[in-house]
Amino acid sequence: EPEVTQTPSHQVTQMGQEVILRCVPISNHLYFYWYRQILGQKVEFLVSFYNNEISEKSEIFDDQFSVERPDGSNFTLKIRSTKLEDSAMYFCASSGSSSLQFFGPGTRLTVL
Amino acid sequence: AQSVAQPEDQVNVAEGNPLTVKCTYSVSGNPYLFWYVQYPNRGLQFLLKYITGDNLVKGSYGFEAEFNKSQTSFHLKKPSALVSDSALYFCAVRDGTWGNQGGKLIFGQGTELSVKP
Repeated sequence: EPEVTQTPSHQVTQMGQEVILRCVPISNHLYFYWYRQILGQKVEFLVSFYNNEISEKSEIFDDQFSVERPDGSNFTLKIRSTKLEDSAMYFCASSGSSSLQFFGPGTRLTVL
Repeated sequence: AQSVAQPEDQVNVAEGNPLTVKCTYSVSGNPYLFWYVQYPNRGLQFLLKYITGDNLVKGSYGFEAEFNKSQTSFHLKKPSALVSDSALYFCAVRDGTWGNQGGKLIFGQGTELSVKP
């Protein structure tokens, strides 16, 4: 069964450093998303991506964040200068012609 | 604005007993509703969805959910709980303002289900 994969599973970084979180969506999907979950809190939408451009972004997704689909398979989330409050689990998701979003296992980002 | 509420932070059930995890929603237009489950240190796994049709939706692992438009609820149920059902359950509504495809999911705060032997 096809699945969304994410790397790394855990990323530890120093405050102010740049991080890139990587995702490989399901191959025939067209819509891509990033969500995050701060420990003990609910899952929050960050950004959606379709046709090589951002479709929608939340208030959380400020100028420090960017997304890219550099080739036909990867979908990345970059945080330019990490803050302590960026520590969270980041989930990538993708969907096809139905409204069902499939989620990856997540990347746990720890900012020290 | 669209929103989802899960009024219970935790639900405790004895194995073999029926379980219910509650969810209410607020949307404009017809809701697209989902239940996901999250096991420790794992991602979100899809359980079931309601788009249209029968109000009783059957999903994975013996779970079902009942859509009630008048009460704006979409409670998750299972007739007989298993210890292995213990996990974090999220109700979500899809933002339908982006046409029939795509659209972000808006999640409830999650309900921790604990099934004891």
